Amino acid sequence: QKEVEQNSGPLSVPEGAIASLNCTYSDRVSQSFFWYRQYSGKSPELIMSIYSNGDKEDGRFTAQLNKASQYVSLLIRDSQPSDSATYLCAVNWGDFNKFYFGSGTKLNVKP
Amino acid sequence: DGGITQSPKYLFRKEGQNVTLSCEQNLNHDAMYWYRQDPGQGLRLIYYSQIVNDFQKGDIAEGYSVSREKKESFPLTVTSAQKNPTAFYLCASRPKPGLQETQYFGPGTRLLVL
Repeated sequence: QKEVEQNSGPLSVPEGAIASLNCTYSDRVSQSFFWYRQYSGKSPELIMSIYSNGDKEDGRFTAQLNKASQYVSLLIRDSQPSDSATYLCAVNWGDFNKFYFGSGTKLNVKP
Repeated sequence: DGGITQSPKYLFRKEGQNVTLSCEQNLNHDAMYWYRQDPGQGLRLIYYSQIVNDFQKGDIAEGYSVSREKKESFPLTVTSAQKNPTAFYLCASRPKPGLQETQYFGPGTRLLVL
């Protein structure tokens, strides 16, 4: 059984702070990892993707992957109220036509 | 104007009724997917298709059916066998199989039972 787990939150951070979102997955034979942002009532949109161990930075966002420990994280620097949303972690396994999603972490950024 | 369209935005189903959700893409993507999302939950895969005239069951296919007669279209039918269909349904597409290819989502259809 392949599983992707996230803390449901809500995670509350003040504006300007760093938000740290975490995701763990069950199977070591994993290929690629994606973070999506989903506003209430809307569809998910891609924030970051990462495939290799280490950090990947894109603007205020940094994805971190540690395959040995089976976790992937997303850091949001200088958090803004507009970052308030649910963040979904998705993992693509060996059959890389299928994605497995976590249940999402709700982030609240307080002005 | 390229993208993925889903219709209708809201759909109401009566007991015992089959309903069909539309998904169209003009991105020339090979793969298409249907997901179901319940409140406070992640996305669960219903069906996916990698090429025309071929599709595979996902984790929760019971009570649903699909077709892929054209590359750009992947309609989902929610049959009367699906006893708890109330959910947010998301269609997605992906350019081609590959490690670094992400999915792109349509705006979704919210299905409610009368």
